[in-house]
Amino acid sequence: ETGVTQTPRHLVMGMTNKKSLKCEQHLGHNAMYWYKQSAKKPLELMFVYNFKEQTENNSVPSRFSPECPNSSHLFLHLHTLQPEDSALYLCASSQPNTGPDEQYFGPGTRLTVT
Amino acid sequence: GDSVTQMEGPVTLSEEAFLTINCTYTATGYPSLFWYVQYPGEGLQLLLKATKADDKGSNKGFEATYRKETTSFHLEKGSVQVSDSAVYFCALSDLNSGGSNYKLTFGKGTLLTVNP
Repeated sequence: ETGVTQTPRHLVMGMTNKKSLKCEQHLGHNAMYWYKQSAKKPLELMFVYNFKEQTENNSVPSRFSPECPNSSHLFLHLHTLQPEDSALYLCASSQPNTGPDEQYFGPGTRLTVT
Repeated sequence: GDSVTQMEGPVTLSEEAFLTINCTYTATGYPSLFWYVQYPGEGLQLLLKATKADDKGSNKGFEATYRKETTSFHLEKGSVQVSDSAVYFCALSDLNSGGSNYKLTFGKGTLLTVNP
């Protein structure tokens, strides 16, 4: 595997379910990100991790819970979601503190909340 | 705060037409500028970048020049192909408010469709 991978690629869940999204990067980077991409809206940065520590949380509701066990893996745990949370969730990675942030993205998980 | 404004789409062109997608930015610092492309069903890929004024980024026939005086970074291609059909995002990278790491700010994206 190369680059940034995400699983699953598609997920349908009910509002009472609990599920997790997984991201893995094979680039040796130390920063990882979760973004939400909704139709007709700019990409929304959700969380940032640098060296496994969360450095940014952009006022994301607590029904989204990130986890970064090591620099290569990032999870997004989902529970009691709302229909408006349906979107494409993108993971990205970069090498921080080396200058302007060139980020590498995974293919995304298309989430539908019913 | 930082912001990026790019032209509303969708943009529909015939093959071999000239492409321009406008992008302007507002930043408190001295940002680097990027164009990302998202093909159907995929994540974003870096297309090109420029890190200082008057720099020209180029890749796959696409070009964009960092214009500090007009705070712009317009994307151009002289002859588009059907395979260029995608969503294009302009973005800037600047130090975040705490100054500890860089943060990307994206525009809303412009959908380009190229017809044969």
